[in-house]
Amino acid sequence: QKEVEQDPGPLSVPEGAIVSLNCTYSNSAFQYFMWYRQYSRKGPELLMYTYSSGNKEDGRFTAQVDKSSKYISLFIRDSQPSDSATYLCAMSEDSNYQLIWGAGTKLIIKP
Amino acid sequence: DSGVTQTPKHLITATGQRVTLRCSPRSGDLSVYWYQQSLDQGLQFLIQYYNGEERAKGNILERFSAQQFPDLHSELNLSSLELGDSALYFCASSVEGGSTDTQYFGPGTRLTVL
Repeated sequence: QKEVEQDPGPLSVPEGAIVSLNCTYSNSAFQYFMWYRQYSRKGPELLMYTYSSGNKEDGRFTAQVDKSSKYISLFIRDSQPSDSATYLCAMSEDSNYQLIWGAGTKLIIKP
Repeated sequence: DSGVTQTPKHLITATGQRVTLRCSPRSGDLSVYWYQQSLDQGLQFLIQYYNGEERAKGNILERFSAQQFPDLHSELNLSSLELGDSALYFCASSVEGGSTDTQYFGPGTRLTVL
């Protein structure tokens, strides 16, 4: 079993829909959770970063962490075709430990 | 533009050959990471350097090696290449190299082994 599981998709939704992207993990010591976005043929870029449990909002994006269920989510409201990309989750116990990456979910927003 | 540069952009070579990929981190970043991304494996962490020293090692094959030079640029050497080594190789950099640092990724080098 991988430490971080992420459905590779693709996930295809119509423009304007609310998108939910998820990762599950097995290591209860993870405290730092990140979402990176990767456009086709480009390097990943940091989208959201949360520490421990709770929600964090940034514009149309909300990151949610449920440590009791070992489950993190990224919500995208009012999705746009420009949101079409691969979304990778990554997490770590603390700054002294290696970042562990999910496999990435490919998201397609249809106009 | 992340500020991380990688050369070359594309590389086509034959099995058994050796290649060198180069990465220049963002100005001020001390840590460099190397990743391999293939269609079936996702993003795989290979190795990390901090200020010239190896800090962490991931799923890096013995045929692969890397180093970070005093000017902080890094090179990834791939030898005895196999068809399965065909992939996108990304370099990333961060300020101090902690796992909670933001990693800034370069545009990648696409390696094709024929």
